[in-house]
Amino acid sequence: NAGVTQTPKFQVLKTGQSMTLQCAQDMNHNSMYWYRQDPGMGLRLIYYSASEGTTDKGEVPNGYNVSRLNKREFSLRLESAAPSQTSVYFCASSTPGLSDTQYFGPGTRLTVL
Amino acid sequence: RKEVEQDPGPFNVPEGATVAFNCTYSNSASQSFFWYRQDCRKEPKLLMSVYSSGNEDGRFTAQLNRASQYISLLIRDSKLSDSATYLCVVNTYGGATNKLIFGTGTLLAVQP
Repeated sequence: NAGVTQTPKFQVLKTGQSMTLQCAQDMNHNSMYWYRQDPGMGLRLIYYSASEGTTDKGEVPNGYNVSRLNKREFSLRLESAAPSQTSVYFCASSTPGLSDTQYFGPGTRLTVL
Repeated sequence: RKEVEQDPGPFNVPEGATVAFNCTYSNSASQSFFWYRQDCRKEPKLLMSVYSSGNEDGRFTAQLNRASQYISLLIRDSKLSDSATYLCVVNTYGGATNKLIFGTGTLLAVQP
């Protein structure tokens, strides 16, 4: 049982390049999330998917797109990377309820030059 | 005003000390509350949920004061392994999913 996995672990891009961050969970969770974490800002929600086939914007969606490929997988795409997107990206999953827990992947450290 | 506010620290304490972290939240309709722990360059992990009646898990005690919109975490008999960033997290539950709002975290460094 791997929990939440993310690839890649590290990535360096040049401004304007595109890339997709992959996330998969094997806990049969309905909901999945993408966050970014920047110094002094805390974790901020980029997009989330309440269930397979649905996606919604979070707090900071500009410059990103997502795909909920199936119940297990939720990908985040940067179409034209900008230096402001340099951050650590975490994927998480949960099954909603008032006392549920979000389980996080190990993160992707992205640098945009 | 941030939705969840924490003292960023750092809190430097000797082994064996008792340390308390505080957190305030702005949305009075928030439904549930958590403390997450994040080690350096790692992902956040749930430390404990926070209930209105207060709850304890070993050396850790969490308290919630809904009237004051205030959450606390008390760590007794600090260990070196407690060194981490502690994130105060609030759930603005709505609909088919839950949206967690994270504080920026309080850094704890336990010294030998």
